[in-house]
Order: sequence, then C-alpha cells, then structure tokens
Amino acid sequence: AQRVTQPEKLLSVFKGAPVELKCNYSYSGSPELFWYVQYSRQRLQLLLRHISRESIKGFTADLNKGETSFHLKKPFAQEEDSAMYYCALRGTSGSRLTFGEGTQLTVNP
Amino acid sequence: GAGVSQSPSNKVTEKGKDVELRCDPISGHTALYWYRQSLGQGLEFLIYFQGNSAPDKSGLPSDRFSAERTGGSVSTLTIQRTQQEDSAVYLCASSLTRGGSQPQHFGDGTRLSIL
Repeated sequence: AQRVTQPEKLLSVFKGAPVELKCNYSYSGSPELFWYVQYSRQRLQLLLRHISRESIKGFTADLNKGETSFHLKKPFAQEEDSAMYYCALRGTSGSRLTFGEGTQLTVNP
Repeated sequence: GAGVSQSPSNKVTEKGKDVELRCDPISGHTALYWYRQSLGQGLEFLIYFQGNSAPDKSGLPSDRFSAERTGGSVSTLTIQRTQQEDSAVYLCASSLTRGGSQPQHFGDGTRLSIL
C-alpha cells in the first residue's frame, strides 16, 4: 500500500521568512515523488518532481529515503506563494498518483 | 487544445439521477486519469486509461461509477443513481504516456453537488 502524509493542513508565515512544507510517505519500493500546487481559482499544476532535482520558483525538495520524506522548502517566502500544496507519490508498478491531503500555505505581508 | 478540458464546470442534480462528466485530454496524451476531491480530503484516484482500455479501475467506489474512453481521446465518467456522498470535485488528468516520470496535467474539474 502507498500512503502520503502531510501533517500540516494550514501553515502561515511572514514574507521573507523560510518555509518548509512537510511530506512523509509510505511505500515499499522506489517511488517517484511530486509536489503539485493550486493557486486561488487556478487548476492543479505540477511544481516539481524529485527526479528532476530542480528548483522551481525558488522551491526545492529532496527525497530522503531513510526518513521517507520529501519536504518542500523555500528560503524566502513571497506573498504569491500563498496556495494549496499537495505532495504526491507514484509507485513503480502503476500510474496512479497518491496524494496527501494538502497544506494551505499563507504568506502574510 | 492547450490543456485538459472538463465539462460541465458545475453540475447540480437531485439524488437518484444519473450524471455524465466529460474530459477532453491534451492532444496526443495516451494516458488519462480520473480523481475525486471531496470536501476536506485529498485527491482520491478513481480510474486510469491507457488508450481506450482501463487497466486500473480499482479506485471506483461502487458499481454505480463507470467510465469509458473512445478514440483514445475523450473520456466520460458516469455516476448512476447519485447519492449525496458523491458530491465532490471530479478532476481529470492526462499524461503523454503511462508513468516514466511523465507529469500529469490536470483540468479545472467538475464540481458536482447532489441535493
């Protein structure tokens, strides 16, 4: 079975502060991990994936297999980062994505 | 088209009626997925198509739910004898191929409300 846990439903930070959105997963094989973001009144869109090892909009995420985590980080949050963030996992045997319940990030001015 | 298109964007219907939700994937995308997002919950997988066949239907919650895909393109999700617990946002996604790190591109969803 595969499971994704995002322990924080709500996260509020001030502009310029560092932000970390937590994601832990449960999967017996080697998963692919993704972060999706949904801005207000927009569709869900891919933010980044672990396999690309890229930084998008200043966000990074490192897959830690030992801790089964894929936390999303940004050193200096911006107001436009306010959105709902979903962590998702895809197992090696299939195509479905298993999502966490999401974290609503609010960046205050 | 430029992205995944879903229709209708909103649907309100009475309990017991049947509903059909439509998804038009990105042109050339062979994989198509349906998810459901209920109030206060994350996205829940329903069904996956590769071409016109559905190798994974394991997420369909009951036999009232069915889906088909024709011509390797448009898909319809049908819910028969709707119940109030079917109220949710139904999201469709497509990807170029199955897995292989191909990202899934989502539509805007259909917000279904059962009275």
